[in-house]
Amino acid sequence: DTAVSQTPKYLVTQMGNDKSIKCEQNLGHDTMYWYKQDSKKFLKIMFSYNNKELIINETVPNRFSPKSPDKAHLNLHINSLELGDSAVYFCASSQDSTGANVLTFGAGSRLTVL
Amino acid sequence: AQSVAQPEDQVNVAEGNPLTVKCTYSVSGNPYLFWYVQYPNRGLQFLLKYITGDNLVKGSYGFEAEFNKSQTSFHLKKPSALVSDSALYFCAVRDLKYGNKLVFGAGTILRVKS
Repeated sequence: DTAVSQTPKYLVTQMGNDKSIKCEQNLGHDTMYWYKQDSKKFLKIMFSYNNKELIINETVPNRFSPKSPDKAHLNLHINSLELGDSAVYFCASSQDSTGANVLTFGAGSRLTVL
Repeated sequence: AQSVAQPEDQVNVAEGNPLTVKCTYSVSGNPYLFWYVQYPNRGLQFLLKYITGDNLVKGSYGFEAEFNKSQTSFHLKKPSALVSDSALYFCAVRDLKYGNKLVFGAGTILRVKS
């Protein structure tokens, strides 16, 4: 069983559309994250949830809306997609939110906006 | 100053030779330091971490890193490189200035040639 699984793995869509990426972890972790990796491979945190509560909300356009229905799931919805949203989005989880624990990453969801 | 810096975009080394991938940090308080590796089209995988204790930390796949407080460095090392070590390596630090958020360096591409 994959520890952190994201779907879909690839998304290709037109500007202006809305899309969602789903993430699930079966590790029993309390904390989940969304990271964005751009074309230069730079990795930046977007959001973090601890037990379904939002604890990190970086300077991200409000077109991006995370939702955590329970602590095992963290979804990312993106409205009105723009060219600059093209990137690989990684979901991750950790045991807690102290920053001392290892992050387990999903395989990534590559979003291409045309 | 950046919380974490990886001064080399790329490191080239011959198979069998020792390798070093550099990382320096600038944080408030005691740093929590991590190394992750990313293979092509994959998510990041944890290699090792320093939280407290021995300055020399041993991790997965024969990698190790030394925490050097005076030089604020946490360089990744391996005594004998393998071609299969070729990947993108990220150093990360928990910076209390940003809560418990993990800040990633820009990444260093390691190329091991046979």
